[in-house]
Amino acid sequence: KAGVTQTPRYLIKTRGQQVTLSCSPISGHRSVSWYQQTPGQGLQFLFEYFSETQRNKGNFPGRFSGRQFSNSRSEMNVSTLELGDSALYLCASSTGHPSGETQYFGPGTRLLVL
Amino acid sequence: AQSVTQPDIHITVSEGASLELRCNYSYGATPYLFWYVQSPGQGLQLLLKYFSGDTLVQGIKGFEAEFKRSQSSFNLRKPSVHWSDAAEYFCAVGQNSGNTPLVFGKGTRLSVIA
Repeated sequence: KAGVTQTPRYLIKTRGQQVTLSCSPISGHRSVSWYQQTPGQGLQFLFEYFSETQRNKGNFPGRFSGRQFSNSRSEMNVSTLELGDSALYLCASSTGHPSGETQYFGPGTRLLVL
Repeated sequence: AQSVTQPDIHITVSEGASLELRCNYSYGATPYLFWYVQSPGQGLQLLLKYFSGDTLVQGIKGFEAEFKRSQSSFNLRKPSVHWSDAAEYFCAVGQNSGNTPLVFGKGTRLSVIA
């Protein structure tokens, strides 16, 4: 099976712009979780989608949003980018239970906000 | 709420030496426990997991971890470290009910010297 893929791998934006990141889970996986990874804060949970529904949301401002499509692919969007949004954004997929199963991670999208 | 503490931010070991990375968790019931490894510029890869049963868990790349309920710990060990083991290691805790997300520790960076 193909692994989790994320596009793009690298992105440079300027403050105030918006960005959309994409994640394609492993075939058959219906749960997709998103994380923000920074040197200071480590891995922070953004949100999790299952069958096109957001089941969990982390403590991030409303500028961070996401969605999931019927084929389980997911996108996350960050509007009005701030310098502090520079990070590695990771998505992970599992068959259905993000906390009780193995999550398979993509390589991440590295976002730099100038 | 669950939490994970990895007390060591950075550890340096000599190639061929043994390794132990510490992980302490806080969770009221029996947790699901995971160790992930992240090489530079990569996503996270699962090393091993504990759900139930034998408290000594074997993983990939020669790693093992032991669940000690009395100490709320899930330390990762390897008898002989290879230079390719240099990476960042993350401990995570989940639960076997509900749809709550995994909670990750802040990671331990492992350096291997000749």
